[in-house]
Amino acid sequence: NAGVTQTPKFRVLKTGQSMTLLCAQDMNHEYMYWYRQDPGMGLRLIHYSVGEGTTAKGEVPDGYNVSRLKKQNFLLGLESAAPSQTSVYFCAAYPGVGGYTFGSGTRLTVV
Amino acid sequence: DAKTTQPNSMESNEEEPVHLPCNHSTISGTDYIHWYRQLPSQGPEYVIHGLTSNVNNRMASLAIAEDRKSSTLILHRATLRDAAVYYCILRDITASKLTFGTGTRLQVTL
Repeated sequence: NAGVTQTPKFRVLKTGQSMTLLCAQDMNHEYMYWYRQDPGMGLRLIHYSVGEGTTAKGEVPDGYNVSRLKKQNFLLGLESAAPSQTSVYFCAAYPGVGGYTFGSGTRLTVV
Repeated sequence: DAKTTQPNSMESNEEEPVHLPCNHSTISGTDYIHWYRQLPSQGPEYVIHGLTSNVNNRMASLAIAEDRKSSTLILHRATLRDAAVYYCILRDITASKLTFGTGTRLQVTL
């Protein structure tokens, strides 16, 4: 039982390149989230999903897109990467009660 | 979202109890109090949550003030592995989002 798995774990992008971060969960949880964490700061919500086929904007959605075509997967896309998007990205899943389960993060550097 | 206030940092000796405070004077009746911790280079980890009554689990205890305007996370015997940033978060029962602050960085020394 892996919980929440994020791929890749590390990535370096050039400015203007695009990429997709994958979050997969094996807990059958309805809710999924993408956060970013900059050095010395708490996590900020980018986008989230309350169920398959639904997405919603969080606190810092600009420059990102998401899709939840399957319940177990939540994808985060960067259309045209910028240095300001250098961060650690965390995915989380939540069943509706209790606690959230977070992945181990994707460290992204945009040069 | 209602705000929480936590000390930036705290220190504890190993095998001593640790009391991590959190103030949330604007808490509403539908806000749950959640605690998460984040070990270095890892994602946040759920610790405990409660609404009105004190709660205990294998990781910690949560003591909630009678007026709910403050709470305390209690680690009964701190170990070096408990060194982390601890986040106190209010989550409305109708909301599906967690909003993180900057938390309390706990240092544990021998």
